Amino acid sequence: QKEVEQDPGPLSVPEGAIVSLNCTYSNSAFQYFMWYRQYSRKGPELLMYTYSSGNKEDGRFTAQVDKSSKYISLFIRDSQPSDSATYLCAMSAYTGFQKLVFGTGTRLLVSP
Amino acid sequence: GAVVSQHPSRVICKSGTSVKIECRSLDFQATTMFWYRQFPKQSLMLMATSNEGSKATYEQGVEKDKFLINHASLTLSTLTVTSAHPEDSSFYICSARWSMNTEAFFGQGTRLTVV
Repeated sequence: QKEVEQDPGPLSVPEGAIVSLNCTYSNSAFQYFMWYRQYSRKGPELLMYTYSSGNKEDGRFTAQVDKSSKYISLFIRDSQPSDSATYLCAMSAYTGFQKLVFGTGTRLLVSP
Repeated sequence: GAVVSQHPSRVICKSGTSVKIECRSLDFQATTMFWYRQFPKQSLMLMATSNEGSKATYEQGVEKDKFLINHASLTLSTLTVTSAHPEDSSFYICSARWSMNTEAFFGQGTRLTVV
């Protein structure tokens, strides 16, 4: 069993839709949770960073962490074609972006 | 955000040869750099953590004699794949941070094909 599971997609939605991206994990030691966005031929770019359980909002993006269920989510409101990318979840038991464990990434396609 | 540049973006080499991949932090001093590898349809996997001026710390299952990491300056780390074989064909990507409390920024990755 992988430490982090993520549906690879692709997930296709129309412009303006609310997008929900999710990851599950098995290691209860994970304390730090991240979402990255990766455009084609580019490196991952950090979108959201959360410590422990709870919600965090930044503009159209909301990250949720439920440690009791070992489940994290990223919601994108009012999705735009420019949001089309691969979204990677990552997590770690260590601070400082050390020993990150990644999901495989979900490819999101937002159509105009 | 800070800029991390990786070179080359693509490389093809013959089996048995060595290939070097560079990771540069362009606008900050990177005290720590991380090297990852990604096989098709799999997730990014951490290979090693490199602190400037120190030997790299390799993850379990990564051969340190095959994947040589040098982090001799605060702006440059290199990964050398020695005696490359077709099974080493993969996407290699680095990230860099300047302190324990700051984000690690990713380069754009290097696609290595060994023929």
